[in-house]
Amino acid sequence: AQSVTQLDSQVPVFEEAPVELRCNYSSSVSVYLFWYVQYPNQGLQLLLKYLSGSTLVKGINGFEAEFNKSQTSFHLRKPSVHISDTAEYFCAVMGANAGNNRKLIWGLGTSLAVNP
Amino acid sequence: DGGITQSPKYLFRKEGQNVTLSCEQNLNHDAMYWYRQDPGQGLRLIYYSQIVNDFQKGDIAEGYSVSREKKESFPLTVTSAQKNPTAFYLCASGGLTVGNEQFFGPGTRLTVL
Repeated sequence: AQSVTQLDSQVPVFEEAPVELRCNYSSSVSVYLFWYVQYPNQGLQLLLKYLSGSTLVKGINGFEAEFNKSQTSFHLRKPSVHISDTAEYFCAVMGANAGNNRKLIWGLGTSLAVNP
Repeated sequence: DGGITQSPKYLFRKEGQNVTLSCEQNLNHDAMYWYRQDPGQGLRLIYYSQIVNDFQKGDIAEGYSVSREKKESFPLTVTSAQKNPTAFYLCASGGLTVGNEQFFGPGTRLTVL
């Protein structure tokens, strides 16, 4: 079984500052990792995902994340945020084993508030 | 355009009434999912389906029912047995290849008065 912990429920930051949203996971098998963004009263949109290969993954809107197997982390970063990045961000994990039922296990979310 | 549609966006019902939320996708995805979202609780899986005429309970299935008569459609019924149905409901779909992401609809906000 897998579990996901998003270490910060809220992250306030000033516009044009860098930001890191932290995600740790637990799993007894290899995993695939995902970051989604949700704007108010909307559905979720995929930012990026890690399946294999390079541990640094680049996504949409200037976001990137780094998979660290030894620390079981998948932190999301952006070097300079905009007001429009204000949203809820969700980290999710899927077991990579063949018998997996394709379900995503979700973190509770991190609310990013970008202030002018 | 390919995507997932949910209707209606806002839904109001009286306590004790059953209500059905619509979810349609034209992405040719085999798997479909229903989630419930409450403030501070993330996404909780209600039901999911990987093939027509088959579906499995998720973590919070009590008080809900689904059907999957067509690949494109996965309606969710919130029954009167659901004790606290007021929430934001999200439908998603995805392929069956492990590692495929899920694609989400815009959501339906249900308020029970």
